[in-house]
Amino acid sequence: RKEVEQDPGPFNVPEGATVAFNCTYSNSASQSFFWYRQDCRKEPKLLMSVYSSGNEDGRFTAQLNRASQYISLLIRDSKLSDSATYLCVVSSIKTGANNLFFGTGTRLTVIP
Amino acid sequence: GAVVSQHPSRVICKSGTSVKIECRSLDFQATTMFWYRQFPKQSLMLMATSNEGSKATYEQGVEKDKFLINHASLTLSTLTVTSAHPEDSSFYICSAEGSSSYEQYFGPGTRLTVT
Repeated sequence: RKEVEQDPGPFNVPEGATVAFNCTYSNSASQSFFWYRQDCRKEPKLLMSVYSSGNEDGRFTAQLNRASQYISLLIRDSKLSDSATYLCVVSSIKTGANNLFFGTGTRLTVIP
Repeated sequence: GAVVSQHPSRVICKSGTSVKIECRSLDFQATTMFWYRQFPKQSLMLMATSNEGSKATYEQGVEKDKFLINHASLTLSTLTVTSAHPEDSSFYICSAEGSSSYEQYFGPGTRLTVT
């Protein structure tokens, strides 16, 4: 079973739409959770960390449900510049190092 | 902010040759560096974790004799793909973790094509 599972999409949405991505993880001992954004042929960049209480950063809202081992990302008022692949990432401390486990990513295309 | 560079950004080599990729943390000391690879339409897969001055820890299925990792200083780690074959063609990305937090900062990646 994969450490992190995501719906690969693609999600094609019009500008201004609200879109939600979901992710599940298999290791109940995971400690930290993130959403990264990856543009085509580029390295991943941290979008936001995800906390149990839920957190918001502008148009982006992330939620974590530890009991269900489920993470979500909501994007409101989509912009063309939001088009990218969104990676769900889970970390756990292994042999003293913080190992990150990446989902395959969900591809979003925002259409004018 | 923390900056990580990789060199080269793109390399094309012939089958059987070796390729060295450098990963540098430019404005912080990286106690731990990670090497990932990403095949098209797949997720980043951790290859190995390296700590300065000690041997790298390889993930299951990654051949340590084929992917040589050297982490000689707190700002530099190198990955050498030895006797490269076409199936090694991939996007190799490094990340560095500082001593003050567990956040990983990613390099821009190196696209390797083996012909």
